[in-house]
Amino acid sequence: EVQLLESGGGLVQPGGSLRLSCAASGFTFSSYAMSWVRQAPGKGLEWVSAISGSGGSTYYADSVKGRFTISRDNSKNTLYLQMNSLRAEDTAVYYCAKSEAAIPYYSSGNWFDPWGQGTLVTVSS
Amino acid sequence: QSVLTQPPSASGTPGQRVTISCSGSSSNIGSNTVNWYQQLPGTAPKLLIYSNNQRPSGVPDRFSGSKSGTSASLAISGLQSEDEADYYCAAWDDSLNGQVFGTGTKVTVL
Repeated sequence: EVQLLESGGGLVQPGGSLRLSCAASGFTFSSYAMSWVRQAPGKGLEWVSAISGSGGSTYYADSVKGRFTISRDNSKNTLYLQMNSLRAEDTAVYYCAKSEAAIPYYSSGNWFDPWGQGTLVTVSS
Repeated sequence: QSVLTQPPSASGTPGQRVTISCSGSSSNIGSNTVNWYQQLPGTAPKLLIYSNNQRPSGVPDRFSGSKSGTSASLAISGLQSEDEADYYCAAWDDSLNGQVFGTGTKVTVL
């Protein structure tokens, strides 16, 4: 069974940093692109970042470009999101999600399935 | 900010058919496939439809998707109480070089 388990969320002050992790199991991790998607309280879904299966290509939403860094350790089956210069508007539940292709934009597999249970990040003083 | 536009709400009585629209542009829906997600209250989103009209195993055939030009739609036939949820469309956007989600539609079963 494919499983994704996020961790690392919590309360952080504006301007602070946090690193999220997503532990994957039940599939060949390095063969699939992975993404982070967030949802602010009471709001819709917002794609944050994606990374190819090899880790060689990364993609970011304009809202986080230059502040967030996505990475993966295929030897540990783990996805990361390093979040710096955090702002109040970054407060959200952050989900990791698996794509069905090694490259996130391939039409043959650009959907997200499954999703993790999410980890809450709160940016507040 | 969402690039794909959906109606904020839709409703129907049990057994009715409900349709949700998703409007985009040439850089997203017009040139890439559309996926749909269902989010039940308090839970993580779940894949409902992929590649415009394909259902993952386990998704009832009451759910169907279609795409035409720069728009897509999700239909729920034979509406059931357990279909009360938020529904989101999504597609890759070639101009933004990233995924974009719809604004979301809350479906209520009356």
